[in-house]
Amino acid sequence: GAVVSQHPSRVICKSGTSVKIECRSLDFQATTMFWYRQFPKKSLMLMATSNEGSKATYEQGVEKDKFLINHASLTLSTLTVTSAHPEDSSFYICSALKQPYEQYFGPGTRLTVT
Amino acid sequence: DQQVKQNSPSLSVQEGRISILNCDYTNSMFDYFLWYKKYPAEGPTFLISISSIKDKNEDGRFTVFLNKSAKHLSLHIVPSQPGDSAVYFCAASENYGQNFVFGPGTRLSVLP
Repeated sequence: GAVVSQHPSRVICKSGTSVKIECRSLDFQATTMFWYRQFPKKSLMLMATSNEGSKATYEQGVEKDKFLINHASLTLSTLTVTSAHPEDSSFYICSALKQPYEQYFGPGTRLTVT
Repeated sequence: DQQVKQNSPSLSVQEGRISILNCDYTNSMFDYFLWYKKYPAEGPTFLISISSIKDKNEDGRFTVFLNKSAKHLSLHIVPSQPGDSAVYFCAASENYGQNFVFGPGTRLSVLP
């Protein structure tokens, strides 16, 4: 099966700093990747769709200047949480689309902002 | 090495019949399981969950069955409707819903 990795798996940062999370498709090329934020127990919120070589498409209510997404290559997308605050603490998951429709999820990154 | 597997990438079912989506996992520490439904261009939406203390949970047309000894769960949709056509993801977690591991999904097509 296809593998998607995320790095780091856990990160603790101080309020006001920026954190970068990487999402990589290890054995396939992904022109499209997705970034999600998971809330405890249930809901998975789509934050943005990342397209290689073009600007990301953000969902309503997601601040594009706060959550910077860069899809630099067919195997790498990054999410940078800028000027992080405690309320940004969450579990962030990426997924990569393997054409035509299979979507593979990364293992997630637990962000804690102190 | 995938901890959560959905071995059928796609499934077609006639409207009104039962749809059965399967999910297998390898980590015996998983204690909470979810099914998500995803339409194209949208994020997954939560469908139904089950904890390891149960073997069945029902919500309307959707029933999830858990077989812990076999490390297997299934989602039954009865009766299937065309609007159920979507990709279904199985997800599992340790510690009752903290960090989830997702399966690769199964595309369900319900034919009218």
